[in-house]
Order: sequence, then C-alpha cells, then structure tokens
Amino acid sequence: DAGVIQSPRHEVTEMGQEVTLRCKPISGHDYLFWYRQTMMRGLELLIYFNNNVPIDDSGMPEDRFSAKMPNASFSTLKIQPSEPRDSAVYFCASSFRGGARGNTIYFGEGSWLTVV
Amino acid sequence: SQQGEEDPQALSIQEGENATMNCSYKTSINNLQWYRQNSGRGLVHLILIRSNEREKHSGRLRVTLDTSKKSSSLLITASRAADTASYFCATDGVQGAQKLVFGQGTRLTINP
Repeated sequence: DAGVIQSPRHEVTEMGQEVTLRCKPISGHDYLFWYRQTMMRGLELLIYFNNNVPIDDSGMPEDRFSAKMPNASFSTLKIQPSEPRDSAVYFCASSFRGGARGNTIYFGEGSWLTVV
Repeated sequence: SQQGEEDPQALSIQEGENATMNCSYKTSINNLQWYRQNSGRGLVHLILIRSNEREKHSGRLRVTLDTSKKSSSLLITASRAADTASYFCATDGVQGAQKLVFGQGTRLTINP
C-alpha cells in the first residue's frame, strides 16, 4: 500500500492567499484525521471524519479553516485567507475503526506550509 | 489542552545506553500508544498498550502503564544512532471518541 499521500509537500504563500492541502488516505480506512504541528503548540488535532462525515471539528482554529471529504479517497484542508501564524506542518492521517479502539493511525509525510 | 505530557522534553545519551521516556495523562483511557517521528517525516506507530495491561515488549522497546498514576514509560534498550527521533505518547481519553491526542514529545538524541 502507498500509505497516506499528502500534497503539496512544501508550500510558500503570501499572506491573504488561499491555501489548499490535499490528502489521499489508505484504501479501506474509514477514519481520516487532520493534525497541525508547530514548535509552540505541538501536535494538534484539527478535525476528523468517519466515513466521510465530519465528527469533531472543535480543533479548527477559526472560520478561515475548512475541511471537506467528498469521498472515501480524498480530503482537503483549506485556509482562506492565510496568515503568517498558520505556518506549520499539516499532517493527514487515517485509520481503520479509529484510534480509541487501539487501532494504529497512519500518518502522511506532512505538508510544510510557510505563509510570508 | 494536551492529554499526554512527555518527560523529559529532550534527552541525549550515548549509543548503547538505555533511554527512558515518560508520559503522564489526565483522564481515563482505553489504550495508550507510542509513536516516533524522524526529523521532517510523519509519525510512525511503535507500540500500543491497553488499559488492562501493565507491560509490553516489542524488540528493544518496553512499555509500561500505571493507570493508578496515569502514567506510562517507554524504554529503548541498547540505543542506536538510528533511534534519534522524537517520541510521542497518544491517548484516547475521551469516551466514545475515536481520536488520539498527542503529547508534546521527547526529543531523543543518540550520540555515536
């Protein structure tokens, strides 16, 4: 299996621009998670989906952030407009039957976002 | 707020020595997992321990869990330079939720 695939791997954008991060989960997985990692705040869960339905978006920092999962093999995280404080590594992860049942969460390699 | 908190934040040891990292959490859990992150990469699952288990081994890894103290430890024996990475504990902690909450991690450096 190819694992969780994220794109782009690196993006540098100007403040105010729209940013779209993409994720392809592992085939057959029914949970998809978006995490953000920064030095100051560590690894934060932004939102997660089960069977393409958003379950918990309490970690989404503000209305500038939105996430969608139109089908089982694709999800997007969008930031509009972007701000310098959004600079971080954004990870997509997927699992079968979720993490709380002791199932492994598989991470992508991350999208490194820099907003200047 | 973070559910798991690792201690120490950074650890530097000589190759061949054992490395011990600790994790404390706040609420009841079903399972606790440890993950590893190499610099610039995603997290990779290492080992899981369930709430009814006290100790688990996998190769050079040994994990313990003390639910009365809400703490866990990860021991890496006979460390190698390739073990240099950040190590995170992850807990569920919220009943019915399928998400994992990660601690801040311990940055482990193995000096050759």
